[in-house]
Amino acid sequence: LAKTTQPISMDSYEGQEVNITCSHNNIATNDYITWYQQFPSQGPRFIIQGYKTKVTNEVASLFIPADRKSSTLSLPRVSLSDTAVYYCLVGLNNAGNMLTFGGGTRLMVKP
Amino acid sequence: GAGVSQTPSNKVTEKGKYVELRCDPISGHTALYWYRQSLGQGPEFLIYFQGTGAADDSGLPNDRFFAVRPEGSVSTLKIQRTERGDSAVYLCASSLTVWGLNQPQHFGDGTRLSIL
Repeated sequence: LAKTTQPISMDSYEGQEVNITCSHNNIATNDYITWYQQFPSQGPRFIIQGYKTKVTNEVASLFIPADRKSSTLSLPRVSLSDTAVYYCLVGLNNAGNMLTFGGGTRLMVKP
Repeated sequence: GAGVSQTPSNKVTEKGKYVELRCDPISGHTALYWYRQSLGQGPEFLIYFQGTGAADDSGLPNDRFFAVRPEGSVSTLKIQRTERGDSAVYLCASSLTVWGLNQPQHFGDGTRLSIL
């Protein structure tokens, strides 16, 4: 499984765009990149998944360069409620594949 | 619609006791996963079920841990002779499997287990 490296913590202010970058230098050809969000006392929640280029949904955008050795989760105009831990995961999208979480990035959004 | 439900939400017990943690997945989800999360760390995989069978139990730390899913829906994680190091949040997730591909895993809010 590809190892991921992401910042331990980040601070931002309400209304700003936040970009969290994850490094995964040994990503395999068939690996997907997935991001989860976790609030205190709750289970992780799926945010977005991609394989290459750019993926956008109602919550976030995911940018993946051509070499796929990194990815950036972009959260537009964050609010206080976006304060959470964000996990970058890399692995196969096959049925039954368990998720391998790293330490995540603790995002603190300030007023 | 109902999400993944885990009971109890909190469990406090003494070292050496036996505990059972229950997971009720989203209806129709054939894949079910158990994870364990220690404070300040990401969740750690324990076991995966596809239907009634445990397809991958490589994450179970030792033979004190066991999980069942007899009817392919509700699952129970069982821990015998609990130790203080077993204290953690135990998370359950479920997902659809479509044409051999994982759909995103949906997590419950976990059971916080404290061993005194």
